[in-house]
This record gives sequence, C-alpha cells and structure tokens, in this order.
Amino acid sequence: DTEVTQTPKHLVMGMTNKKSLKCEQHMGHRAMYWYKQKAKKPPELMFVYSYEKLSINESVPSRFSPECPNSSLLNLHLHALQPEDSALYLCASSQESGQGLIQYFGAGTRLSVL
Amino acid sequence: GQNIDQPTEMTATEGAIVQINCTYQTSGFNGLFWYQQHAGEAPTFLSYNVLDGLEEKGRFSSFLSRSKGYSYLLLKELQMKDSASYLCAVRDAGKSTFGDGTTLTVKP
Repeated sequence: DTEVTQTPKHLVMGMTNKKSLKCEQHMGHRAMYWYKQKAKKPPELMFVYSYEKLSINESVPSRFSPECPNSSLLNLHLHALQPEDSALYLCASSQESGQGLIQYFGAGTRLSVL
Repeated sequence: GQNIDQPTEMTATEGAIVQINCTYQTSGFNGLFWYQQHAGEAPTFLSYNVLDGLEEKGRFSSFLSRSKGYSYLLLKELQMKDSASYLCAVRDAGKSTFGDGTTLTVKP
C-alpha cells in the first residue's frame, strides 16, 4: 500500500471561514509534508513534520496552521485566507533515509478562496 | 540555496526516445528524484539517484553526475500516455526542492 489519502478533494471557502485539510497514510512513514502548487508551477514546500514534530516551516503565513495528531495523520488548518491562496494543496510522506526518501503524494485538495 | 534548471517544454513522437535534462546547484545533496505529473493529478515517483551512474527501470532510465550537477531522465518507446510534466527534485537538509518541470508532449 503506497497510498496517501487527502480529504476533501475540492474546497471552496470565503475569506472569513475556518476549514481544515486532512491527510492520512498507513505506510509507517515518519516524515510528512505539505506542499502548495499553483497552475503550471512546481510544488512549493510549506511544512515538514518528522516523527510528529514540525521540523521545517518555510516561512508560511500564520493563516496556515499545520498539525500532526499522530504518525499517520497530518492536518492543515486554514483561517482568514486570501484569494491568492487558491491552489492545489498536496500532502506527501516518506521514510527518513536512503530509498526511503522517496515521497509519495496524495491526490491533493483543490482549494478556491472567494 | 537551491537552483534547479530544466527545459520548459519538449515534444517527441510516439515510439521515439527523449532525454530530459536537469542541472542543479545546491548547498548540499542527498539524492535526486524524478517525478511524473499528469495535469490535475499528484506527482508520482519515477526514479532516484544518489550515486553517479545510470539507474534503469523499464522504459525509464535516469543518470546522475554529482561532480557536474547534472541528471537526465531517458524515456524509451514513447507512448501517448507519457505526455505529462516531468519534475526534477533535489533532496537536501531534510527537504526536496523541485525544478519548474518539463512539459512533454508526445505526438502520433
């Protein structure tokens, strides 16, 4: 099983809403990632969790708040977003070393901020 | 910082061979990855190189030269379904940085 599951697949929200994106993997991976991808651009790293601790925050605005409740789950809490935050949000997971650095991506949540 | 360069677009004919190049300048190096991404879908892993040389996996091969900061992805016996974006990513310090991707169009 190399599946990373993301929900919801699509999300439309207003600038005053609070919503959460969810990501789940059961591969025993100890590193999990959030990426943001705009159309025709590569994924841009937002956050990395390693062993359930935030290890990298790429200077993401505080309106994005990650959470890792356990080793299988990763959430991204959204509040007071801007229209320019509309994008595909990808979750990925990997092991920690060697061939385990391969990242497996979920199908993404397509977010539209109105 | 990281600087990763790939051609923006390439076109090839069904059944042919195409080579997609990637050059990088990074402060550290812990592996180079190639991913395939179809429009509207998530990236999927194709290959991983950490030592110099060629890695072959079916119709796909990837080459790495660490001293030259250079890699290529070779796709043989092209099929229409190979039309996609191909992303080169370099791993360093716990994270991967992606190049802008090469959009490959395969024509009949």
